[in-house]
Amino acid sequence: EPEVTQTPSHQVTQMGQEVILRCVPISNHLYFYWYRQILGQKVEFLVSFYNNEISEKSEIFDDQFSVERPDGSNFTLKIRSTKLEDSAMYFCASRDRGSNQPQHFGDGTRLSIL
Amino acid sequence: ILNVEQSPQSLHVQEGDSTNFTCSFPSSNFYALHWYRWETAKSPEALFVMTLNGDEKKKGRISATLNTKEGYSYLYIKGSQPEDSATYLCAFEPGTYKYIFGTGTRLKVLA
Repeated sequence: EPEVTQTPSHQVTQMGQEVILRCVPISNHLYFYWYRQILGQKVEFLVSFYNNEISEKSEIFDDQFSVERPDGSNFTLKIRSTKLEDSAMYFCASRDRGSNQPQHFGDGTRLSIL
Repeated sequence: ILNVEQSPQSLHVQEGDSTNFTCSFPSSNFYALHWYRWETAKSPEALFVMTLNGDEKKKGRISATLNTKEGYSYLYIKGSQPEDSATYLCAFEPGTYKYIFGTGTRLKVLA
């Protein structure tokens, strides 16, 4: 069965550094998402992306965050200048066209900011 | 702020027991309610997409019901098995395609 893949599985970065998290969504899907889960908290929505533009973003998704679909297969989340509080599991998801479709999630990237 | 709650937070049951969990969500701006099964170190697996008030869905020993007027959904597992041990997440979709997740219910089935 097709799946969403995320790399790397674990990323350790110094505070202030830029980080790029990568995702390969399911190939015919049209809607793409990033979520994050800080340890012990709920999974939170960050951003949704459709037709090469952001369709919605949360208040967490400030100017330090950006998303891109550079080549029609990858979907990336960039954090420009990481902070300690960015440490979390980041999940990518994709969704097919049509109503009543579930989002399909990757295994996540654990981001640790030192 | 849209809030989604799940109860209980965790649950231990004996193999063969039946069990159920609750997901409470806002009764306004409802588009869909999703249930996922999430094992540690894996991706969440979609179980059900529920859209209509009164919906009942079933997949093997797992079933779910939906009440959009009062804002709750139940997930039932009949005859729990150790392989059912996982976190069960509900996600409320308010019509903008993003999900608002509950805290999850961690189920442990003891052999």
